[in-house]
Amino acid sequence: AQTVTQSQPEMSVQEAETVTLSCTYDTSESDYYLFWYKQPPSRQMILVIRQEAYKQQNATENRFSVNFQKAAKSFSLKISDSQLGDAAMYFCAYLVGNQFYFGTGTSLTVIP
Amino acid sequence: GAVVSQHPSRVICKSGTSVKIECRSLDFQATTMFWYRQFPKQSLMLMATSNEGSKATYEQGVEKDKFLINHASLTLSTLTVTSAHPEDSSFYICSASWGATEQFFGPGTRLTVL
Repeated sequence: AQTVTQSQPEMSVQEAETVTLSCTYDTSESDYYLFWYKQPPSRQMILVIRQEAYKQQNATENRFSVNFQKAAKSFSLKISDSQLGDAAMYFCAYLVGNQFYFGTGTSLTVIP
Repeated sequence: GAVVSQHPSRVICKSGTSVKIECRSLDFQATTMFWYRQFPKQSLMLMATSNEGSKATYEQGVEKDKFLINHASLTLSTLTVTSAHPEDSSFYICSASWGATEQFFGPGTRLTVL
């Protein structure tokens, strides 16, 4: 069974500081994709970052980066220089065979 | 590119009526569309997967006669909630893809059944 676990229901970070959101997944597949999505109060799902499992290099998008540990099946998201606009629900997701499996989400609060 | 729209964004209906939600891929042809349901402060729950021109595949526990899905073209899928009841009130999100490497999400539809 494919499962995605986000062990932190809520996190908070001071503005301009760095925060790391954790995610682990369970799979027997070798070819898959991992994503972090942000869902602000508008409820629109916004792609933050994406990682192909066959790539060893960690993906980076401006202030967002991941620590992908394939053997450990871990895919954490680091947000640097946190901004007020980063406050949202963050979902880790695993995609295989055109089907998404989502984690339960982490609610991030940014403290001014 | 890769924009997905949903209509309506909000709908309120009376118990017992049917409601149709449209999902459109605006700038690409979506071979597959997905419908999700999201309760407050919870994750997305996949309801069904539809491929253009064929019957939708429903997830376990989702009533296919209650949630009718039609994927008539490569740019349009519809979800009809038949004989809606208050427990059907939720946030419904569609997504669309043309391959197996990514999905693009619509902005969602908030359904309230009185």
